[in-house]
Amino acid sequence: ETGVTQTPRHLVMGMTNKKSLKCEQHLGHNAMYWYKQSAKKPLELMFVYSLEERVENNSVPSRFSPECPNSSHLFLHLHTLQPEDSALYLCASSQLRDNYEQYFGPGTRLTVT
Amino acid sequence: EDQVTQSPEALRLQEGESSSLNCSYTVSGLRGLFWYRQDPGKGPEFLFTLYSAGEEKEKERLKATLTKKESFLHITAPKPEDSATYLCAVQERPGGTSYGKLTFGQGTILTVHP
Repeated sequence: ETGVTQTPRHLVMGMTNKKSLKCEQHLGHNAMYWYKQSAKKPLELMFVYSLEERVENNSVPSRFSPECPNSSHLFLHLHTLQPEDSALYLCASSQLRDNYEQYFGPGTRLTVT
Repeated sequence: EDQVTQSPEALRLQEGESSSLNCSYTVSGLRGLFWYRQDPGKGPEFLFTLYSAGEEKEKERLKATLTKKESFLHITAPKPEDSATYLCAVQERPGGTSYGKLTFGQGTILTVHP
């Protein structure tokens, strides 16, 4: 595997379900990000982990819970979501204090029914 | 608050018809301006980083330029495979944050017809 991978690529869940999104980066980076992309809206930053410490929580509802067990893996735990949470969820990584360029995974298309 | 505005929202070109996409920005201390390409159902793909006014970068049919208020992505003799959404993002100098927050524009949807 190379770059940034995300699983699953597609997810349909009911409002009472609990699911998790997984992201893995193979670039040796030390920062990881979760973004939400909705139709007709710019990418919205949700969470940032720098050196495995959460450094940004961008007013995200508590039904989204991130976890970063190490510098290569990032999870987004989902529970009791709302239909308006349906979107493309993107993971990205970067190398801090280098060039800061963020590299994105393919995304998870989430549909909440 | 950082702001990024991209225009036009959508652009239709004939194959070989050159044009430019615009990214206007306001940021308190620019560290870098980034261009990404995004195909439908996929994550953004990094294209360029520009750091200072006057800088230019090229990749195949694409050339990005930067001024103090805006950036242009010039597409020369485009082909249908250049069809995608092009995203612009600015990164402020990491003063209050250690990671250099990216602020994205809404993107320009480019369609190139054969």
